[in-house]
Amino acid sequence: EDQVTQSPEALRLQEGESSSLNCSYTVSGLRGLFWYRQDPGKGPEFLFTLYSAGEEKEKERLKATLTKKESFLHITAPKPEDSATYLCAVQAYKAAGNKLTFGGGTRVLVKP
Amino acid sequence: SQTIHQWPATLVQPVGSPLSLECTVEGTSNPNLYWYRQAAGRGLQLLFYSVGIGQISSEVPQNLSASRPQDRQFILSSKKLLLSDSGFYLCAWKSAGGRASSYEQYFGPGTRLTVT
Repeated sequence: EDQVTQSPEALRLQEGESSSLNCSYTVSGLRGLFWYRQDPGKGPEFLFTLYSAGEEKEKERLKATLTKKESFLHITAPKPEDSATYLCAVQAYKAAGNKLTFGGGTRVLVKP
Repeated sequence: SQTIHQWPATLVQPVGSPLSLECTVEGTSNPNLYWYRQAAGRGLQLLFYSVGIGQISSEVPQNLSASRPQDRQFILSSKKLLLSDSGFYLCAWKSAGGRASSYEQYFGPGTRLTVT
């Protein structure tokens, strides 16, 4: 069974204080690992897809990396508008219906 | 461009009442469609998915059901709601086909359901 574990559950940062979120996964044949951002009361917003170990993707202050067992989402010099819950998900090659398995998320609060 | 709509945005229903949530997608054909539920402060739990009209797969046994009467319409229903059905319901779509760049899912705005 595919599993995704995100840590920490919550993260409080000062504006400008860089940090990293962790997503550990077990999957039988990884097709892709996905990062989403979710604001309170809204649907998740797609950020990145990573397909193979060593791959990196960047968007503004966010950088996602992938190894064979985990992914990191690095937030560089965060701003208050980066406050959100960040969700990680995996998809296996054999996933029926191309379904995703999600982790529990990391709630990030960036204080000015 | 593609857009996804969900309605209603919020709903308060008494225990034992029926439920119908609707999701529609615009700007794409034959998408894969998904229903998720998110409990407060938790991750997403996949409830149903559909790869085509009339094709529904259930992930979690419960008193909910799903239907796909049209290519871009996905409906979540219940005959009798339970207190435990409260939550944030999200619909998502994924483009058809197997291109490497098309595996991500895109989510709608969600429906907040409170069963009283």
